[in-house]
Amino acid sequence: DTEVTQTPKHLVMGMTNKKSLKCEQHMGHRAMYWYKQKAKKPPELMFVYSYEKLSINESVPSRFSPECPNSSLLNLHLHALQPEDSALYLCASSQGPQGVYSGNTIYFGEGSWLTVV
Amino acid sequence: GQQVMQIPQYQHVQEGEDFTTYCNSSTTLSNIQWYKQRPGGHPVFLIQLVKSGEVKKQKRLTFQFGEAKKNSSLHITATQTTDVGTYFCAGRLYTGNQFYFGTGTSLTVIP
Repeated sequence: DTEVTQTPKHLVMGMTNKKSLKCEQHMGHRAMYWYKQKAKKPPELMFVYSYEKLSINESVPSRFSPECPNSSLLNLHLHALQPEDSALYLCASSQGPQGVYSGNTIYFGEGSWLTVV
Repeated sequence: GQQVMQIPQYQHVQEGEDFTTYCNSSTTLSNIQWYKQRPGGHPVFLIQLVKSGEVKKQKRLTFQFGEAKKNSSLHITATQTTDVGTYFCAGRLYTGNQFYFGTGTSLTVIP
C-alpha cells in the first residue's frame, strides 16, 4: 500500500470547470512532486516543492496551479483545462529536503485519473 | 535536450524465459533509479544505482550501471506472470535537479 494518498481517484470535468486534486503524505518527507502520465508514456515532471516552496516548474501551463499548504499536503488546482490534459496525475514525495538533488527514493501515490470533456 | 531512451519498447516472453531492458542516456548521469508500474497502477521504486559499474541484485532481478554512467540495464531471470508491467528507468544529471524517466519497456509474460 502506498503511503502517499491522492484524491479523488477519478475526476471528470468540463473545460469551464474549476477542480482540485489533493495529495497527502505523513512520512515526514520534505519534497513533493506532481507528475503527469499519458497512456503508455513515462511520467512527466510538472512541479517540485521543497520545504513547501515551489522549486521547479517544468514550464507547465498556468491552467495548472500547484499549492503546498503545509509539509504534508500538496494540491493541484485545475481551471479551463483542455481535453488533451486528460491523463493520470501522480503525486509523489521523497525524504530529504532536496530529494531530487540527492536522489532519494520517490514514493508515488496511486494517482488521479482525470478526464476533461 | 536530455533524453533517456529504453529498448525494447515492448517485450513478450514465455514464462520461465529471461528478460532484459536497456536504458541509455545522451549525457552522463549522477544516479539512476528503476521503477515498475503494473497495468492500471502507479510506479513503484525498485532500486537506485549510484556508482560507475555498480551491479545490484534483488532475487531474480539484476541491475547494472554502466562504467560511463550513461546506460543501465535490468535483467530478470526466469520470468513469472507477476513480473508483468512496464519498467522505467529514471536518471538524474549532475547539473539540474530533476529525474528524467526513460521511455519504458512493457513486459508481457505468457503462461
